[in-house]
Amino acid sequence: AQSVTQPDIHITVSEGASLELRCNYSYGATPYLFWYVQSPGQGLQLLLKYFSGDTLVQGIKGFEAEFKRSQSSFNLRKPSVHWSDAAEYFCAVGSSTGRRALTFGSGTRLQVQP
Amino acid sequence: DAGVIQSPRHEVTEMGQEVTLRCKPISGHNSLFWYRQTMMRGLELLIYFNNNVPIDDSGMPEDRFSAKMPNASFSTLKIQPSEPRDSAVYFCASRELDYGYTFGSGTRLTVV
Repeated sequence: AQSVTQPDIHITVSEGASLELRCNYSYGATPYLFWYVQSPGQGLQLLLKYFSGDTLVQGIKGFEAEFKRSQSSFNLRKPSVHWSDAAEYFCAVGSSTGRRALTFGSGTRLQVQP
Repeated sequence: DAGVIQSPRHEVTEMGQEVTLRCKPISGHNSLFWYRQTMMRGLELLIYFNNNVPIDDSGMPEDRFSAKMPNASFSTLKIQPSEPRDSAVYFCASRELDYGYTFGSGTRLTVV
């Protein structure tokens, strides 16, 4: 079974500081990995995805993520956080075959201090 | 492209009433997913369809829940009878060919 762990429930960073949100997954083969962002009262917006190839993936809003197979991780990073980045972030894993649905982590809520 | 459209945005109903949530996927997407989001359980997959056919409904909580996709442009999720523990945000998503998912804005259901 596939699963996702986001160990940090809540993170606070200062505006302009760098950010790293952790994500660990469990999956038997090469996973499809995603990061989504959810603002209060809104749906989920795709930030970036990894299917194969280059393990460093660039996304929207200046975010990037790195797939590390040896660590079963897909951490999300941003070099300089803006106040508008305050939201909840979800990592998700999907299978390349079989069950074609995403399994989500529990989310990390990001607060940005001025 | 209007994205995935869900209606209503908010629904307040009394326990025991029937509730129907609606979803219009993005044209050309051949997979549709219903998720439920709660504080306690996070985002849970309820059911998904490929080419209008239900593929996996193992996440549907119980017989009170049912979902249909009569055509490629419309799906419903019905709860009958509704209970307070069904209160949640229900999301619909459709899938792009490159495996990206687009989510709707959700329906916030409150059962009192």
